[in-house]
Amino acid sequence: QKEVEQNSGPLSVPEGAIASLNCTYSDRGSQSFFWYRQYSGKSPELIMSIYSNGDKEDGRFTAQLNKASQYVSLLIRDSQPSDSATYLCAVKLTGGGNKLTFGTGTQLKVEL
Amino acid sequence: DADVTQTPRNRITKTGKRIMLECSQTKGHDRMYWYRQDPGLGLQLIYYSFDVKDINKGEISDGYSVSRQAQAKFSLSLESAIPNQTALYFCATSGQGAGDEQFFGPGTRLTVL
Repeated sequence: QKEVEQNSGPLSVPEGAIASLNCTYSDRGSQSFFWYRQYSGKSPELIMSIYSNGDKEDGRFTAQLNKASQYVSLLIRDSQPSDSATYLCAVKLTGGGNKLTFGTGTQLKVEL
Repeated sequence: DADVTQTPRNRITKTGKRIMLECSQTKGHDRMYWYRQDPGLGLQLIYYSFDVKDINKGEISDGYSVSRQAQAKFSLSLESAIPNQTALYFCATSGQGAGDEQFFGPGTRLTVL
């Protein structure tokens, strides 16, 4: 089992819809979770960080964390074509020092 | 100006050549990281450093070495480049108490022929 898992996609949603991206992790003791957006050939850009169970909202983005079920998700409301990118989930695993472990990413396509 | 810079941005080299990738940051962060990314694969950690005197191997350190010349500078070397080291290379930084959030440089596209 991979330590951080994401569906590779592509996930296709129509413009204006809600995109839901999911990530599961293996380490129950993990405390820090991050979502990055990466456009093709570019570097990852931090979108959200979340540390506590529940929802955290920032503009059109909402991160959701459920530690009991070991998943973290990212919702993108009113999806725009400019949201088309690969979304990387990153987790700070216990026993991993202060390193992050990244999932392989989910490709999102927002269609006109 | 960019907070994390990498040079060169693109490099084509030949098998067996030594190459150095450089990373500089103005964020004042103590921690610096080198990753490689291959198509379809996630980010793989090569080396990381939590301060100038601290160097640690990551998942895939074989064939690579690093130097932390100063708090703001962290270099990655390929002593004898081979074709399967063709990849995108990213430098990242994070600060203590900053929630472990990492901030990435623009990347270096390296091709080894």
